[in-house]
Amino acid sequence: AQSVTQLGSHVSVSEGALVLLRCNYSSSVPPYLFWYVQYPNQGLQLLLKYTTGATLVKGINGFEAEFKKSETSFHLTKPSAHMSDAAEYFCAVTDIQGAQKLVFGQGTRLTINP
Amino acid sequence: GAVVSQHPSRVICKSGTSVKIECRSLDFQATTMFWYRQFPKQSLMLMATSNEGSKATYEQGVEKDKFLINHASLTLSTLTVTSAHPEDSSFYICSASYRDMGYNEQFFGPGTRLTVL
Repeated sequence: AQSVTQLGSHVSVSEGALVLLRCNYSSSVPPYLFWYVQYPNQGLQLLLKYTTGATLVKGINGFEAEFKKSETSFHLTKPSAHMSDAAEYFCAVTDIQGAQKLVFGQGTRLTINP
Repeated sequence: GAVVSQHPSRVICKSGTSVKIECRSLDFQATTMFWYRQFPKQSLMLMATSNEGSKATYEQGVEKDKFLINHASLTLSTLTVTSAHPEDSSFYICSASYRDMGYNEQFFGPGTRLTVL
């Protein structure tokens, strides 16, 4: 079985500061990992994904994440926060076999302080 | 590309009525569609997975007779909440996927807010 743990249900940073959202996963098979962003009353938008290859993945809006197998982590970072980054962020894992269902973390609400 | 729509975006109904939510893949043929439920300030919970032309596979604890899923074509899936009650009020999100490079990437709809009075 797969699972995802997002450390910190709420993260608050100042505008221009580094954003770090933590995600750890558990998977018995090589995982595919994702970060999604959700704005209020909207669906999910894919920020970035790791499938195979380079472990440092760049996504949209200046976000990036690094897959660290030894730490079973896939933390999301952005060097400089912008007010528009305020949203809910979800880390998710799936396997490449079977139904390929996504398993989501509990989410992290990112607040940007002016 | 890979746009998924949902209709309606918001619905309010009386207790005991049934509500149908549509999920459409607009520019691709979806091999699989997924239905999620999201409670306020919580994560997404997978309700069921459906493949075109076959019965949906429901997750444990999801009532099949309560949440009817029909996947009639490669671009349309519907979720019907039967005899809705206030506890069914939630945000329902669908996703559609197609196989690409051996992986079924999911594309999400904008969600439907259901309020049962």
